[in-house]
Amino acid sequence: DSGVTQTPKHLITATGQRVTLRCSPRSGDLSVYWYQQSLDQGLQFLIQYYNGEERAKGNILERFSAQQFPDLHSELNLSSLELGDSALYFCASSADGYSNQPQHFGDGTRLSIL
Amino acid sequence: QKEVEQDPGPLSVPEGAIVSLNCTYSNSAFQYFMWYRQYSRKGPELLMYTYSSGNKEDGRFTAQVDKSSKYISLFIRDSQPSDSATYLCAMSYNNNDMRFGAGTRLTVKP
Repeated sequence: DSGVTQTPKHLITATGQRVTLRCSPRSGDLSVYWYQQSLDQGLQFLIQYYNGEERAKGNILERFSAQQFPDLHSELNLSSLELGDSALYFCASSADGYSNQPQHFGDGTRLSIL
Repeated sequence: QKEVEQDPGPLSVPEGAIVSLNCTYSNSAFQYFMWYRQYSRKGPELLMYTYSSGNKEDGRFTAQVDKSSKYISLFIRDSQPSDSATYLCAMSYNNNDMRFGAGTRLTVKP
């Protein structure tokens, strides 16, 4: 158990809809990362938050947004969903995101768009 | 050309064999190198974490980084059926924006 908690485990919705994925980092970790894993693209970095502030952006679509709350949990919002958004979404956390502290992953949310 | 190249396999070995998994990369700025293990329907689990070049050993696992060749390896000694999983290499230059390999699917047969 990595200590990173993601909910829900599985989400099924339709095209055009909006969903929110939630992540609770490991106790004491200040940095949260979001990744998308699909069969054809592998694991892709989306965005990082550190202590409530956006730190780095990767291949995140404009239809996607994220935030980190004062209690350090994070939410990834996906809107105007398309069939191609079907994927596993992982959250990871690390102690601070500056130094050489590795990232630890949750078990992901499987998003299925019908 | 992808920034990180990893042979997706699949790789099948008998129990007790030595397994060698490899990745090559193109970005010479990468400093942090990691190996993750991912079981089906689970998140990636950190196995090895290395900064810069050199070797690191942890039990049956050894990670090697050769920055001059832009090549990293993971060796698994005395492989077990429980080692059957997908192994992902990952690397970054700032420990934030990690780049992952495609993953190698390993099966260890009893």
